[in-house]
This record gives sequence, C-alpha cells and structure tokens, in this order.
Amino acid sequence: AQSVTQPDIHITVSEGASLELRCNYSYGATPYLFWYVQSPGQGLQLLLKYFSGDTLVQGIKGFEAEFKRSQSSFNLRKPSVHWSDAAEYFCAVGGGPGTASKLTFGTGTRLQVTL
Amino acid sequence: DAGVIQSPRHEVTEMGQEVTLRCKPISGHDYLFWYRQTMMRGLELLIYFNNNVPIDDSGMPEDRFSAKMPNASFSTLKIQPSEPRDSAVYFCASSPSAGGFVIQYFGAGTRLSVL
Repeated sequence: AQSVTQPDIHITVSEGASLELRCNYSYGATPYLFWYVQSPGQGLQLLLKYFSGDTLVQGIKGFEAEFKRSQSSFNLRKPSVHWSDAAEYFCAVGGGPGTASKLTFGTGTRLQVTL
Repeated sequence: DAGVIQSPRHEVTEMGQEVTLRCKPISGHDYLFWYRQTMMRGLELLIYFNNNVPIDDSGMPEDRFSAKMPNASFSTLKIQPSEPRDSAVYFCASSPSAGGFVIQYFGAGTRLSVL
C-alpha cells in the first residue's frame, strides 16, 4: 500500500531563513510526487510535482524539491522564507495517468514564520 | 477560469439534519474528487467520478453519505442524517483527463459543523 510520512507536524523559522520540509513515501512502482500548500481557510494549491527526469524540480513561489529514490524522500526546500509562506504543506504520492492509483496525502506540516 | 467552486463555504447544522454540499468543477475536466479533511485523519479521498460516473466510493464512510454527478458541471455530496463526527472540511477537486489523479485542482472547501 502506498503511504506518505511527514515527520514534522509543526516547524517555525525566521523570515529570511532557509526551509526544508521532509517527506518520505512508500510506493511499489515509480512514484508521482507532489507538494501542495494550504493557506488558512483555503483549498490546496499545487506547488510542484515530480514525474520523471531531473530529480530537482522547481515550483511556484520559489520552492524546489529533490527526489531521492534511494532514500524514498521528496523534501521541499526554499532558500529564504517569506512571512507569506506561513501555511500548511502536504506531500502526496500517486501513480501516473492511466493507473488506478489514488493520491495519498501526508498528514501535513504546519509552517510558522517569525518576523 | 474561476477554478473549482464549492458551496456553501460554511455550514452549521444540527444532528439528524440532511446536509448537501455542492461542487462545480473546472470546465473540461473529466475527473471529480471528494475529500474530507479532519485533524485526526488528515485528508481522505471519499469518492471520485470519471465522466460523471462514480468509479470508486470505497472511501465513503457509511451509507449516510452519498454523492452524485448528474452532469459534467455539477456534483453533490449528501449526508443524511448528519452526526457530530461528520464535522470536517470537505474539499472537491477536479482533474483533466490527461492528468487523471495526478493533477488535481482543489476548491476552497466547505467547513461543516454538526452540532
């Protein structure tokens, strides 16, 4: 069965500091990996996705993530955090188009940014 | 495009009442998903449709829950009778046919409180 683990429930960083949110997945085949962000009272917005190719993927709002197959990880990073990045972040794994694999979400990491 | 539109944004009802949540997917999207988000269980897929046909409802918690998609631009999730444990945020998402599960666009959600 596929699963996603986000070990950090809550992270606090200072504005301007770097950020790394951890994500580990379990999937029996080549995974499709995603990071979503949810601002308070809002739906989920796709930050970035990995399907294949270059293992370092760029997303919106200055975020990037690196796929490491050997570690079953897909960590999200940002070099310099802005106060507006405070939100909840979800990692998800699924199969590709044409598969019957659903998206499985992690439990989320809540990011707090201090000024 | 206006994105996925859900209504109402907030719903407060009493135990035993019928609740109907509504969703308008993005025009041209062939897949529609209903999710439930709670603190305890995170984001769970309840049911999804492809071309208006329910494909997998294994996530629907019990017979009190039902979902329909009478046409390509409208879906409902109904709870009858509602119970306090149904209190959650319910999200609708849609996806184009080429994306299948993998590129989902979320609505802003309906926050349901059952008293």
